[in-house]
Amino acid sequence: AQTVTQSQPEMSVQEAETVTLSCTYDTSESDYYLFWYKQPPSRQMILVIRQEAYKQQNATENRFSVNFQKAAKSFSLKISDSQLGDAAMYFCAYRRSYGGATNKLIFGTGTLLAVQP
Amino acid sequence: NAGVTQTPKFRVLKTGQSMTLLCAQDMNHEYMYWYRQDPGMGLRLIHYSVGEGTTAKGEVPDGYNVSRLKKQNFLLGLESAAPSQTSVYFCASRPSRADTQYFGPGTRLTVL
Repeated sequence: AQTVTQSQPEMSVQEAETVTLSCTYDTSESDYYLFWYKQPPSRQMILVIRQEAYKQQNATENRFSVNFQKAAKSFSLKISDSQLGDAAMYFCAYRRSYGGATNKLIFGTGTLLAVQP
Repeated sequence: NAGVTQTPKFRVLKTGQSMTLLCAQDMNHEYMYWYRQDPGMGLRLIHYSVGEGTTAKGEVPDGYNVSRLKKQNFLLGLESAAPSQTSVYFCASRPSRADTQYFGPGTRLTVL
């Protein structure tokens, strides 16, 4: 069974600095998707970034980028130039790429990020 | 375009009471999901649906029932609520040919 592990329950970063959130996963599949979701105090789950496992190039979305290490099964999120609005719970999630709707998202337990002014 | 909406946003129940949570999406998505979120456990899948009239069990289905009579709506029912069902419930949807799920704002349910 696939699992997703986020080993940092809480992180803190100074405004304008860079922070990296860790995520590791376990799977025997070769083709899958990885996601980072942000959950601010409003509770809304917001997609931050996604990565297809078959792509070697790391995904980037503005200030957010990932370091995807397929062999190590590692998928870390880097937030550059941190802003107060980045404060939230961040969830790493995995989904295998085939099988339709039965491919459920498997979530990690989350990392609570605080941004200090 | 409202995306995914959930009704109600908050609810308090007594043990043994029943209720239905409504999820609605206006994006014509085929797939819909119900998750629960508990502290320290991330989100866990309760039930899901691949289309109108079809439902399937997820990771933690016991104590819940679902129905998808219309493509845009996915209902989650608790027939006899228990304190263990105190949680935040999220609905999500996605198109059949895409991999990204879109989440609703959540429903906070407390069972006393």
